[in-house]
Amino acid sequence: DTGVSQDPRHKITKRGQNVTFRCDPISEHNRLYWYRQTLGQGPEFLTYFQNEAQLEKSRLLSDRFSAERPKGSFSTLEIQRTEQGDSAMYLCASSLEAGSGANVLTFGAGSRLTVL
Amino acid sequence: GESVGLHLPTLSVQEGDNSIINCAYSNSASDYFIWYKQESGKGPQFIIDIRSNMDKRQGQRVTVLLNKTVKHLSLQIAATQPGDSAVYFCAERIRGFKTIFGAGTRLFVKA
Repeated sequence: DTGVSQDPRHKITKRGQNVTFRCDPISEHNRLYWYRQTLGQGPEFLTYFQNEAQLEKSRLLSDRFSAERPKGSFSTLEIQRTEQGDSAMYLCASSLEAGSGANVLTFGAGSRLTVL
Repeated sequence: GESVGLHLPTLSVQEGDNSIINCAYSNSASDYFIWYKQESGKGPQFIIDIRSNMDKRQGQRVTVLLNKTVKHLSLQIAATQPGDSAVYFCAERIRGFKTIFGAGTRLFVKA
């Protein structure tokens, strides 16, 4: 297993366009998280899946954001009608559900979005 | 690589010295506290965690101290090395799954 993979690593788009990011977690991890990080800040929680079920979504996540994890493996995060304020690094992480590993979030390298 | 933060609190230490990075938290309901390290161009990497009913935990070259009375968490790195240069984030886990990150501290190690 090569860890958590995210694609694309960089995306530049024009305001108003839709973008989609993909995350492939560690295969035995049933928890998957999306975070957003801007320069000088810590990662900000967006949403969380346990298997295919989306169990929590941040109030900061507008209706333009949607995340899916259809088969409980990879996940996608789509942003519709992008705005300049959406420019950030979008981080995906995965973890085990229980035991000592449940605290350990393994992050991908992130997908950096620039909205012009 | 790209910078993960331009205006973070900064700690500068000499190689070989010990480093202490501090963090204040606010949520009394957290069950675990965790430290992450983030290098330029990478996602955060788990370092060590501590359960809320403990006050000290040691790892390899790192020690985490938890003071619940004043809601303070610290990370001590022994014999700091150039490879320790990074941004360090404290985090707290609430409701058994949600990890909330605090503000980071940038550690510079001078050779």
